[in-house]
Formats: sequence, structure tokens, C-alpha cells
Amino acid sequence: DTGVSQNPRHKITKRGQNVTFRCDPISEHNRLYWYRQTLGQGPEFLTYFQNEAQLEKSRLLSDRFSAERPKGSFSTLEIQRTEQGDSAMYLCASSLVPLTDTQYFGPGTRLTVL
Amino acid sequence: DAKTTQPPSMDCAEGRAANLPCNHSTISGNEYVYWYRQIHSQGPQYIIHGLKNNETNEMASLIITEDRKSSTLILPHATLRDTAVYYCIVRVQGAQKLVFGQGTRLTINP
Repeated sequence: DTGVSQNPRHKITKRGQNVTFRCDPISEHNRLYWYRQTLGQGPEFLTYFQNEAQLEKSRLLSDRFSAERPKGSFSTLEIQRTEQGDSAMYLCASSLVPLTDTQYFGPGTRLTVL
Repeated sequence: DAKTTQPPSMDCAEGRAANLPCNHSTISGNEYVYWYRQIHSQGPQYIIHGLKNNETNEMASLIITEDRKSSTLILPHATLRDTAVYYCIVRVQGAQKLVFGQGTRLTINP
């Protein structure tokens, strides 16, 4: 257990529905990252926050995706109008910069879109 | 970030040392070598990282060649629980993201 928690761990939804995932980072970590991992591939970067500011978004993050970290602590990732191609493991990681910068990952949320 | 090359799969007998190679011939002077592993259906787990000196912690040892173009992760006494995909990543300290490749699928055999 790294101290990063994600909820829910599994989500099954129907195409077209909206889903929201939550990530609670390690306490005091100022950076929070979201990654997506499809079957057989390594994780791919989606976006990251430093405190409450979202500083980078990958081209993978279509306009149906939105992430927030309103108080610089937990973060939410929402997917609107889900598609079958959104089925993946969504991973959250956190780090403390500039002190250590090592990213610690949560267990992930597995999304299945039917 | 520099690109890394790892063998797609390796086998190792339980109790033996597992040596996982990684090539990063285009690594820059300010890029670190990081190792993560991912056990099936779990999030990636940080193992170790280094710049140019060899590093050791309670999980593994990292040996980086003098020219820094390659490295080896050593699990000294592999157990069945070490079966996982191992990722070698090079990145500048403070860089925003980790760029994962395909990794090496390590299977520890009884």
C-alpha cells in the first residue's frame, strides 16, 4: 500500500453514461498525476496537477475528459458520454517536488464500458 | 526523455538472482534511470532509481554502466511474488510524466 487510494476500484457502465473517479494522494504530496493503461500496454500519461493547478494535458485527454483538484488534495477524473474505447485502467500517482519527485501509484480504477 | 529498450520477457528460477537489462544509449547527463514493476492488475510499484552511481535498497540493486548507456536491475533472491512486468524509464528529475515502454515480463519459476 503506497498511501495513494483510488475509488471505485472497478466501474462497469453503459456507453453514453458519465463516470467519475476519485484519487486521494499521499498526504502533503503537491503533484498528482493521472495515467491510463489499456490491456497489454504500459501506462500513458493523461494530465497532472501541481497543487490545484492543472499544468499539462496529454492529447489523449479528449474534451469528454475533465480532471479537477479543487483544494490541492484529492482529485477527480470525469469521463462524459463514455465510449467502449474508454475501457481501461485509470491510474493515479502522486509525488512531492522538489524534495523526492518519485511518483507513487494507487491501485487504479478499472473501467469497463459496455 | 530518452528511449529505453528491454527484452520482452525473461524467466528466472525461484531463489536465484534475477538480472533485468535495459539499454538507454541516448540518455542525457541530467536524466535518471527509474525502475517500476507492475504485478497483474495492480498499479505500478516504484523500485529504485539512480543517476550514475550504483544504488541498492531493500528491494533491489541498480547497476549503471560507466558510460550510462545501459543498466541492470538485480533482484538478489527472486521469489514467486516477483513475477511482474518491469519497466525501465529515463527521465529528468522534476519532469512531469513517466513515459512507460512495453517493459520486461519476468516470470519466476518454482
